Amino acid sequence: ILNVEQSPQSLHVQEGDSTNFTCSFPSSNFYALHWYRWETAKSPEALFVMTLNGDEKKKGRISATLNTKEGYSYLYIKGSQPEDSATYLCAFKGGDNFNKFYFGSGTKLNVKP
Amino acid sequence: NAGVMQNPRHLVRRRGQEARLRCSPMKGHSHVYWYRQLPEEGLKFMVYLQKENIIDESGMPKERFSAEFPKEGPSILRIQQVVRGDSAAYFCASSGEYSGANVLTFGAGSRLTVL
Repeated sequence: ILNVEQSPQSLHVQEGDSTNFTCSFPSSNFYALHWYRWETAKSPEALFVMTLNGDEKKKGRISATLNTKEGYSYLYIKGSQPEDSATYLCAFKGGDNFNKFYFGSGTKLNVKP
Repeated sequence: NAGVMQNPRHLVRRRGQEARLRCSPMKGHSHVYWYRQLPEEGLKFMVYLQKENIIDESGMPKERFSAEFPKEGPSILRIQQVVRGDSAAYFCASSGEYSGANVLTFGAGSRLTVL
């Protein structure tokens, strides 16, 4: 069984705080790592696609890094805003099956005004 | 572009009935994935299909569950003789090509409740 772990499970921060969370995945046979943002009552939406070791991606106040050799990716949010409140999912493709994405359970972020 | 359309959004079935969930992928997308989200759990892979072909069904329960993606029409996830444990949200996602670089575009999900 291939495990994709996300931590922490949930996070409560104040508006303006910067925060980060982790996605851990197998370090062998890496193919791709995606980050998705999932707001309540909506569909998950893609944030970043990462395919190369050392990739760094940025979109506004949100950025992500990738280390395929040690099997982790970090998502950073600078100056959190209430509208950042959502569940952040990572999805890993690799291992011995390149047909599917394995999703972590997500980090639920709540930003208090 | 209407995105990925799933219907019904909510479905209530009694134990033993059949549930059919439909997914129309985004225009131009030929790859469809079905995921299940059980209460308090993450998204679990069920099946990956291309037009008229099941590519990977390693996440599908062996019995009662089937999926298809015909040449014409939506992809259908079919659950026969539903049981209470089938109550979950079922999400469909589509992508344009087989590639790690192509993101999944998700539908809004179909929430199945089995009484």
